[in-house]
Amino acid sequence: AQSVAQPEDQVNVAEGNPLTVKCTYSVSGNPYLFWYVQYPNRGLQFLLKYITGDNLVKGSYGFEAEFNKSQTSFHLKKPSALVSDSALYFCAVREAHDMRFGAGTRLTVKP
Amino acid sequence: IAGITQAPTSQILAAGRRMTLRCTQDMRHNAMYWYRQDLGLGLRLIHYSNTAGTTGKGEVPDGYSVSRANTDDFPLTLASAVPSQTSVYFCASSDRGGASTDTQYFGPGTRLTVL
Repeated sequence: AQSVAQPEDQVNVAEGNPLTVKCTYSVSGNPYLFWYVQYPNRGLQFLLKYITGDNLVKGSYGFEAEFNKSQTSFHLKKPSALVSDSALYFCAVREAHDMRFGAGTRLTVKP
Repeated sequence: IAGITQAPTSQILAAGRRMTLRCTQDMRHNAMYWYRQDLGLGLRLIHYSNTAGTTGKGEVPDGYSVSRANTDDFPLTLASAVPSQTSVYFCASSDRGGASTDTQYFGPGTRLTVL
């Protein structure tokens, strides 16, 4: 079965510094990969997805993700972090109706 | 456009009681989903519906049932709640149920506590 792993429970960065939230995946077919963000007491908000084509995917709020087939990774990045980026981030892989989520990474951006 | 609404926002329930969580979407999406979110486990799919009139089981369906009488509504029922069903429940929808490339959009969630 397909799966994703988020190896870091917590990521701390200083405001203005670049951030990376890591995700690796395991699929038997084509990977369809997603990133979502969850703010406290809210539902998940879609950030971006990789379907095919360009390995660098640009999404909402200045986020981007790099698809790397050889490393089976789909890391989320942002060149300059904001305090307001502090939230819980989920990577997911989808096959038809079945979307599998990682356990989540809590990002804290300190002023 | 409201997107997806869920009710109630939160609920405390005695074990053994029946409970229905409501979900309504106004995007005319064909597919709808129910997930539960538990700390350290991410979100897990309970049931899904690719189109009105059809439903399917997800990763953790036991103890839950769903129905899809029309496009907009997708209620989740706990026939006899148990404490292990304490969780945050999210409803989601996407345009095409079988399309891996379609984005799923999520509701605000229902926090359920079973005592």
